[in-house]
Order: sequence, then structure tokens, then C-alpha cells
Amino acid sequence: GAVVSQHPSWVICKSGTSVKIECRSLDFQATTMFWYRQFPKQSLMLMATSNEGSKATYEQGVEKDKFLINHASLTLSTLTVTSAHPEDSSFYICSAGEGGGYTFGSGTRLTVV
Amino acid sequence: LAKTTQPISMDSYEGQEVNITCSHNNIATNDYITWYQQFPSQGPRFIIQGYKTKVTNEVASLFIPADRKSSTLSLPRVSLSDTAVYYCLVGVRRSNDYKLSFGAGTTVTVRA
Repeated sequence: GAVVSQHPSWVICKSGTSVKIECRSLDFQATTMFWYRQFPKQSLMLMATSNEGSKATYEQGVEKDKFLINHASLTLSTLTVTSAHPEDSSFYICSAGEGGGYTFGSGTRLTVV
Repeated sequence: LAKTTQPISMDSYEGQEVNITCSHNNIATNDYITWYQQFPSQGPRFIIQGYKTKVTNEVASLFIPADRKSSTLSLPRVSLSDTAVYYCLVGVRRSNDYKLSFGAGTTVTVRA
């Protein structure tokens, strides 16, 4: 089946620094990938849609200058949290669609201290 | 995007059948119904997908009435490892750029 790999699984960074999260489709090509954020005890919230070769589209309320998305190839999308602050601490999850279904990465736990 | 409504939580015991009903009154003609399972600190995992009537796979069954305004996920003989959050989503199956919108989900707790 389709596999989406996400790296790193967890990361701790200092306030003010930037963190990059990678999302790879391992056995299929994904022209579109999605990035979600999930706070404790809450549901997944869609942040943005990553489009290969073009700009990402962001959901309302998501700062595009803070959450930089790059989808440079058909198998890789990256999310960079710039100038991270403690309120950015969350669980970030990517997903990609293939064959009519969506596969999710294992998620990245970001803690900003 | 069709809105879905599920119970917030359900409790069960090992070996019992768990049925979770999801309401999606505004489901569109082209929408499929998909259920995902999520364990803490993991990404959601696909369980089952259907359009109408009944679908069964090795882990669950999905019952969809004729009007498709609701669906029921059935987990047979649950075990402790089935404790998780279950999400019901509706969307177009064949469109890989269709945005999935997650509702609150149902937290299923299985006790010994």
C-alpha cells in the first residue's frame, strides 16, 4: 500500500529558530500533499495544501510567512516553521492521496522551548 | 465540505462489537464515506471506505443506508488495542486533491 514517511518524528527547538519537517511519498508520486496540525485532545486541523511545482494554498488563519511549504518534487513536501514560538508547539501531520485514498505520515511532535 | 457528526466518546469491553454512527446530512452525490483510526501521537490510519449499502474488510464493516445521510462503522470483537479515536469523513474518492476535513471524532475506550 501507499506509504508516507515523515521526518523527524519529534523535534525540540529554541524559541526564535526555524524547524523543517519533511514529508515523502515512498512508493507513489503525489502532486498534492496536505499539512495538518493537531493540538492535544483536539482533532486534526488542515493548515495548507502543498502543490508540486506551485505555491501552496493556506487555510484561513494560517500564516503563510510563518509556515513555509515547499513541494519541489513529486515525492517530497517540506514544512518549515519559521521563528518558532512556544505556541507553535503541536503535532504536525502530512498526508497524500493515491488511488482514491489518503495516507498519513506518522506525524512530527514539535516542542518549542 | 459535508459536515459530519459523531458521538464524542464510547466505552466498550473486550470481545464486544462496537458500532459508531456518523451523521452527514449534506453529503453530496459524488462523496464517499471514509473512516480513519488514530492512536495517540500517530497519524490517522485508513480503516474502510464506502459509497452505499455495506462494505466489509478484515477489520471492520461499514453500513450505509439508502439515503446516505448517515453511516455506521462496526468493529467486531474489539480488543484493548482498538482503543483510539475514530474519524468519519466524507469526500470525493477519486480526487487526490480533495481536502479532508476532520470532525471531532469518537474516542473509543475498550476495557478489559
